[in-house]
Amino acid sequence: NAGVMQNPRHLVRRRGQEARLRCSPMKGHSHVYWYRQLPEEGLKFMVYLQKENIIDESGMPKERFSAEFPKEGPSILRIQQVVRGDSAAYFCASSPPDRSGTEAFFGQGTRLTVV
Amino acid sequence: AQSVTQLGSHVSVSEGALVLLRCNYSSSVPPYLFWYVQYPNQGLQLLLKYTTGATLVKGINGFEAEFKKSETSFHLTKPSAHMSDAAEYFCAVQAGGSYIPTFGRGTSLIVHP
Repeated sequence: NAGVMQNPRHLVRRRGQEARLRCSPMKGHSHVYWYRQLPEEGLKFMVYLQKENIIDESGMPKERFSAEFPKEGPSILRIQQVVRGDSAAYFCASSPPDRSGTEAFFGQGTRLTVV
Repeated sequence: AQSVTQLGSHVSVSEGALVLLRCNYSSSVPPYLFWYVQYPNQGLQLLLKYTTGATLVKGINGFEAEFKKSETSFHLTKPSAHMSDAAEYFCAVQAGGSYIPTFGRGTSLIVHP
């Protein structure tokens, strides 16, 4: 059973370009979370999705950021018109439908660098 | 609302010494509590978790943590540090009914030979 797969592992974008980060959850997992990690700041929650639904996006900036988890295919975190401050590690995690104390399983992350 | 405070952004110990990483949480309902470890340029890996039952929880790599409701704490310990324990450690809380884990800022464990 493959773990959570994120790609690309590293992404370099120029200011103003778009960044697309992909996340394939573990088999059988229907919940996906996206977190952003900056040095010395820990993991900041961005968005929580189930298949075809955004459940909670309270941690996501209102502009330029969007996320989706379609019925088929990976979850996508999209950042439009990137700025230097978007440079960070972005982690995806997934969990199964039964949420009773089940931990989230993390991918290796995508390290975004905006130049 | 739920939150986590990890005391000490860096903890330094000698190889063979006791490891103690502190975590205090805030939750209005009984929480689920987790410790994760992150090695450089890697994702987070679960060390251990508390859901219900026994308050002393044993995890991988010789780590354990004790849930103390009266102190709202979930400190992580290991009797004897190994060089390979050097990593970033994150405490997380997930209050019952919430599907979203909230993480602390992390504690960097440094192990000296």
